[in-house]
Amino acid sequence: SQTIHQWPATLVQPVGSPLSLECTVEGTSNPNLYWYRQAAGRGLQLLFYSVGIGQISSEVPQNLSASRPQDRQFILSSKKLLLSDSGFYLCAWSVGILTGWSNYGYTFGSGTRLTVV
Amino acid sequence: TQLLEQSPQFLSIQEGENLTVYCNSSSVFSSLQWYRQEPGEGPVLLVTVVTGGEVKKLKRLTFQFGDARKDSSLHITAAQPGDTGLYLCAGGSSGSARQLTFGSGTQLTVLP
Repeated sequence: SQTIHQWPATLVQPVGSPLSLECTVEGTSNPNLYWYRQAAGRGLQLLFYSVGIGQISSEVPQNLSASRPQDRQFILSSKKLLLSDSGFYLCAWSVGILTGWSNYGYTFGSGTRLTVV
Repeated sequence: TQLLEQSPQFLSIQEGENLTVYCNSSSVFSSLQWYRQEPGEGPVLLVTVVTGGEVKKLKRLTFQFGDARKDSSLHITAAQPGDTGLYLCAGGSSGSARQLTFGSGTQLTVLP
């Protein structure tokens, strides 16, 4: 079965410090991978998505970046964190091969709560 | 830019009551999904609907996709405290990346 791992679960970082959040998927190949950010009790904002190794698309211009060094690894980074980067970060995967929408869905990791102080 | 608006934003009801949550957009979607999220966890997929007018039932939950595939509703019959959570709708469009646009969420609290 497929599983998705995301870590760390919580993180408190000072303003101006770097960031690295990691997400890995097991049990599948060539997944589409996504990073979302969620404000408290609200909807999800798509930050980055990737359809393959080294292929990153950005939805929101900001001081965050993403990388996909391996097929099932997705990393979210920042060189210098801002207070506004605080939030709940979620990684998700979906099947990468073309298929109908009927059984399509995202599987999310358990999230990282980032607090920038 | 595709937007999904959910209503109500907050809903607090007593156990045993019925409720409906709405998800509306001016855009047409290839599919519409509903997720439920518990505090501190990632959302979990409940259902996917793809055909205009489609109705799917999951125990006490009934999901409907609008005829024009621009809106959807979630109806819960005889709500239970275990139904408490954040309900999110998400619309999908064609494209290799299959990105989903998420609604703003409905926070449901079912009181015992």
